[in-house]
Amino acid sequence: GENVEQHPSTLSVQEGDSAVIKCTYSDSASNYFPWYKQELGKGPQLIIDIRSNVGEKKDQRIAVTLNKTAKHFSLHITETQPEDSAVYFCAASRGAALIFGKGTTLSVSS
Amino acid sequence: DAGVIQSPRHEVTEMGQEVTLRCKPISGHDYLFWYRQTMMRGLELLIYFNNNVPIDDSGMPEDRFSAKMPNASFSTLKIQPSEPRDSAVYFCASIRGGSGEAFFGQGTRLTVV
Repeated sequence: GENVEQHPSTLSVQEGDSAVIKCTYSDSASNYFPWYKQELGKGPQLIIDIRSNVGEKKDQRIAVTLNKTAKHFSLHITETQPEDSAVYFCAASRGAALIFGKGTTLSVSS
Repeated sequence: DAGVIQSPRHEVTEMGQEVTLRCKPISGHDYLFWYRQTMMRGLELLIYFNNNVPIDDSGMPEDRFSAKMPNASFSTLKIQPSEPRDSAVYFCASIRGGSGEAFFGQGTRLTVV
C-alpha cells in the first residue's frame, strides 16, 4: 500500500525566511498530491495541491514541486509570517483516499 | 454549506464503554472518510465509503471498531468496548467525485480513562 514519508518533523524559521517541507511516496499509481494546514483545535484544510501531470504549481507565497520519477514532492513557503505557524501535512492519493505524512510543525518567529 | 459536521466535539468515557462518533458530510459529496490522529501515528485512514458503501476498511485497527453509513448524510464510527489506547482525535472528511479536495470536520477528541 501507499507509504508517505515527511521531513522535517519540526521546522523553526524567522519571519521573512523561506520554509521547505519534503515528502516521498511509494506507490507509482498515486496521481494527486495535496498539502494541508492544521491549526490548533481544527481539522486540516487544503492549501495547495498538484496532480501528476504537472511539475510545479504556485499560489502567491506557496509553491509545490513534484518529481514523479523520484517519487518526491515539496512545499515551499516564501516570506513566512507568524500566521504561517501550524502543522503541515502532505498526502498522496490511493484510489479515492488520501494517505498522509506524519506532519511538520512549522514555527515562525517574529 | 456548513461544512462537515462532527459530534460530539469532545468525549470522555471509561474503559469498556461503548463510544459512538457521528459525522454529517457536505451535501452532494459521495465519498466519506474516517481518520484517526495521534502524535505517534499521525493521520491514519480507518475506513472510507462511496455512495454509502464501505470500500476500504483495511485501516480499522480491531474488531472493536465498526463504521456505518445508513444514508448519504450520516455516518457513525463505533468503538465497543473502548480502551485507553483508543484516545485520539477522530476526523471525518468528505469529497465529491473520486479525486479532489477533502473537506475535514472539526474532529472529535476522544479520551478513554
